[in-house]
Amino acid sequence: AQSVAQPEDQVNVAEGNPLTVKCTYSVSGNPYLFWYVQYPNRGLQFLLKYITGDNLVKGSYGFEAEFNKSQTSFHLKKPSALVSDSALYFCAVRDPLWIQAGTALIFGKGTTLSVSS
Amino acid sequence: GAVVSQHPSWVICKSGTSVKIECRSLDFQATTMFWYRQFPKQSLMLMATSNEGSKATYEQGVEKDKFLINHASLTLSTLTVTSAHPEDSSFYICSARDRAGRTTDTQYFGPGTRLTVL
Repeated sequence: AQSVAQPEDQVNVAEGNPLTVKCTYSVSGNPYLFWYVQYPNRGLQFLLKYITGDNLVKGSYGFEAEFNKSQTSFHLKKPSALVSDSALYFCAVRDPLWIQAGTALIFGKGTTLSVSS
Repeated sequence: GAVVSQHPSWVICKSGTSVKIECRSLDFQATTMFWYRQFPKQSLMLMATSNEGSKATYEQGVEKDKFLINHASLTLSTLTVTSAHPEDSSFYICSARDRAGRTTDTQYFGPGTRLTVL
C-alpha cells in the first residue's frame, strides 16, 4: 500500500537560516511525489513535484526538494527561510501505476513550519 | 495557473439540515475531482473520487448516502452533506485534475469550505 510519512509534527527555524521538512514514502515502482503548503483556513497550494528526471526539483517561493530513491525520501528545502514561510506543509504521493485511473493523492500528516524573526 | 473555486467558503447550519458545497474548475476541464476532509491540525483524508458523468467512488468508511456527490459537468462537482450533525463539522476541500494534464498530473485544490453544524 502507498504511504507517506512526515516524521516531524513541527519544525522551528530562525529567519534567514536554511530549512528542511522531511518526507519519506512507500510505493510500488517509481513514485510521483508532491509538496503542498497550506495557510490557515485556506486550501492547499502546489509547491513542486517530482515525476522523473533530475532528482533536485525547484518549485515556487524558492523551495526545492530532492528525490532520493535509495532512501525513499523527498525532503523539502529552502536555503533561507522567511517568516512568511510559516505554514503547514504536506508531502503527497501517487503510485504511477494507477495514474490512468485518476487516483487521488495520499497525503502525509503534515508538518507545521514556524519561522521566527 | 489553474484555479479551483469552492462555494461557500464557510457555512453554519443547524443539525438535521443539508448543506451543498460546490467545487468548480474555472479555467480548465476536470474529468476527475476529489473531495477531502480535514480536521484541525490533521492531514487531508480522501472521501471520494468524483468522475464526470458517472457515480462517485467512495473511500472505505465514508457513507455515500450521507455525502452525496454529483459531477454533472467537466467544471462542476457538488458535495451535499445530508442531515448534517455536529460531528460532520470539518474543513472540506476539493481538488481537480486537469483533463489535459495527464503527463504533468498536477491536482489543483480549492480554498476549502468550513462547515460548522450546531
